[in-house]
Amino acid sequence: RKEVEQDPGPFNVPEGATVAFNCTYSNSASQSFFWYRQDCRKEPKLLMSVYSSGNEDGRFTAQLNRASQYISLLIRDSKLSDSATYLCVVNRNNDMRFGAGTRLTVKP
Amino acid sequence: DVKVTQSSRYLVKRTGEKVFLECVQDMDHENMFWYRQDPGLGLRLIYFSYDVKMKEKGDIPEGYSVSREKKERFSLILESASTNQTSMYLCASSSLAGGQETQYFGPGTRLLVL
Repeated sequence: RKEVEQDPGPFNVPEGATVAFNCTYSNSASQSFFWYRQDCRKEPKLLMSVYSSGNEDGRFTAQLNRASQYISLLIRDSKLSDSATYLCVVNRNNDMRFGAGTRLTVKP
Repeated sequence: DVKVTQSSRYLVKRTGEKVFLECVQDMDHENMFWYRQDPGLGLRLIYFSYDVKMKEKGDIPEGYSVSREKKERFSLILESASTNQTSMYLCASSSLAGGQETQYFGPGTRLLVL
């Protein structure tokens, strides 16, 4: 079993749609959590950290459920520019574990 | 703004060649990492370093070695390239300043081994 599992997608949604990605992790001792975004043929870049209380950054909302070892990312009012692969990342003692990513395509 | 640079965007090498991938960061970060990224597998850690002249094996170190002679530079070496080392190689750096580790990635090197 992979340490970090994500639905690979692809998710194809129209502009303006709301889309949610899920991620599960296997190590209950994981300490910090992130979502990274990776555009085609580019490097991953930090999108947002995920806090226990949940956090929001504009159209993006991240949630963490430690009991279920589950992380989510919600994107509201999708834009064409949101098309990318979203990587779930879990950290324990500076050991970062990456999911394989969920691919999103937002269509006009 | 953090900048991580990698020496090549694309490389084509032959089986058995020695390959050097260079990574430089300009933010005085202590930590540097080498990953490879393959479809469906995500990023897998090859080696990392928490200080100059220090190195630690990641999950898939076989067939690779690294060198960190200066804080800003972390090199990945393929001693004898093989076709199964065809991949995207990503370098990253991070700092624990502020108590939150965020990794910053270079643009990646796409290596093709023939």
